Amino acid sequence: DTGVSQDPRHKITKRGQNVTFRCDPISEHNRLYWYRQTLGQGPEFLTYFQNEAQLEKSRLLSDRFSAERPKGSFSTLEIQRTEQGDSAMYLCASSSRQKNYEQYFGPGTRLTVT
Amino acid sequence: QKEVEQDPGPLSVPEGAIVSLNCTYSNSAFQYFMWYRQYSRKGPELLMYTYSSGNKEDGRFTAQVDKSSKYISLFIRDSQPSDSATYLCAMRSWGGATNKLIFGTGTLLAVQP
Repeated sequence: DTGVSQDPRHKITKRGQNVTFRCDPISEHNRLYWYRQTLGQGPEFLTYFQNEAQLEKSRLLSDRFSAERPKGSFSTLEIQRTEQGDSAMYLCASSSRQKNYEQYFGPGTRLTVT
Repeated sequence: QKEVEQDPGPLSVPEGAIVSLNCTYSNSAFQYFMWYRQYSRKGPELLMYTYSSGNKEDGRFTAQVDKSSKYISLFIRDSQPSDSATYLCAMRSWGGATNKLIFGTGTLLAVQP
């Protein structure tokens, strides 16, 4: 049972550029979450998918952010017109009913906006 | 006021010591309580998962939940240098649409050899 994987692990971009991150959940996990973590803080919820349906978005997820999960497998998180305040670790987690919806996290994508 | 409060530390202990990590919370709807360990620049790793009040033990780790006081604890016995990491408490309510987790800020633990 492979864990949650995320790609890329690190991304450096210039302000104003668009970036896209990918998350591959644990196979057969139907729930997928995105969180953002800044230095010295715990992860903060961004959005959640059950299968391919995006069921909740945090108000932290501004209009510049969009997430998809086509076919209910991998997910992508895109940030348009990046700002320096977007610099953070973006974490993906997945869960399943069979495991009491325990959330297992990936290694994260560290974004630096210069 | 944050829903979950956690002392950020840092907490420094000698090898072999018993470590006590704590969180308080304000939302009485929280029913599921977790502890995650996070090494520097890595993703959080699930350590303990408990439902409602009570104790749960797993090896050197014991998680306690006191819902009446809205207080949870993680105890680490015989601490090792490899336990040096940030420990995050997390919790969520029962039911609802998302099961999103609410995290504390994390406590940085250093176990000195």
